[in-house]
Amino acid sequence: ETGVTQSPTHLIKTRGQQVTLRCSSQSGHNTVSWYQQALGQGPQFIFQYYREEENGRGNFPPRFSGLQFPNYSSELNVNALELDDSALYLCASSREPGQGIYEQYFGPGTRLTVT
Amino acid sequence: AQTVTQSQPEMSVQEAETVTLSCTYDTSENNYYLFWYKQPPSRQMILVIRQEAYKQQNATENRFSVNFQKAAKSFSLKISDSQLGDTAMYFCALNSGYALNFGKGTSLLVTP
Repeated sequence: ETGVTQSPTHLIKTRGQQVTLRCSSQSGHNTVSWYQQALGQGPQFIFQYYREEENGRGNFPPRFSGLQFPNYSSELNVNALELDDSALYLCASSREPGQGIYEQYFGPGTRLTVT
Repeated sequence: AQTVTQSQPEMSVQEAETVTLSCTYDTSENNYYLFWYKQPPSRQMILVIRQEAYKQQNATENRFSVNFQKAAKSFSLKISDSQLGDTAMYFCALNSGYALNFGKGTSLLVTP
């Protein structure tokens, strides 16, 4: 069984640029959630995708957007990058959405640095 | 609104000893799940243990166990027979909908 994978591992961008991060969900999982983890903090929920539709969103501006594909892999797009967007971006997949009945399994993350 | 509070930013324990990490939370929901995740320096977030709020019995996974006090909204993690590989950030998390709400974490150092 393949676990959650993310690419790239590290990324350096300039303020104002756009970035796309990618996530492949674990086999058998149809739900993908994205989290932002600033240095020294716990992860913050960005949004969740279920069967290619956004299923819930945290307190992040619209310049954070996402996609989920028919194979349940997902992308996180961030436009007009700001210095505060520098963080570890974590992707998590689960068998179904909802309440924690189905555990979320995390990928290794993408470290984004905005200069 | 849901909040998760971890009041111990750093802790240290000697190998083979027992340590308890604290977590308190607040939610207005009746049905929810609580989790402890471990994040070693490799960054991969690993699920340690899970507790369903409707279950009174405390969850146990090998050396890891929880003390779940629903009325007090407390959810502590006990690590028995600590091992060097337990060195990591530990996050308490709450899920009552679709998202995990995390605390700020406790950095645990296991020393020889």
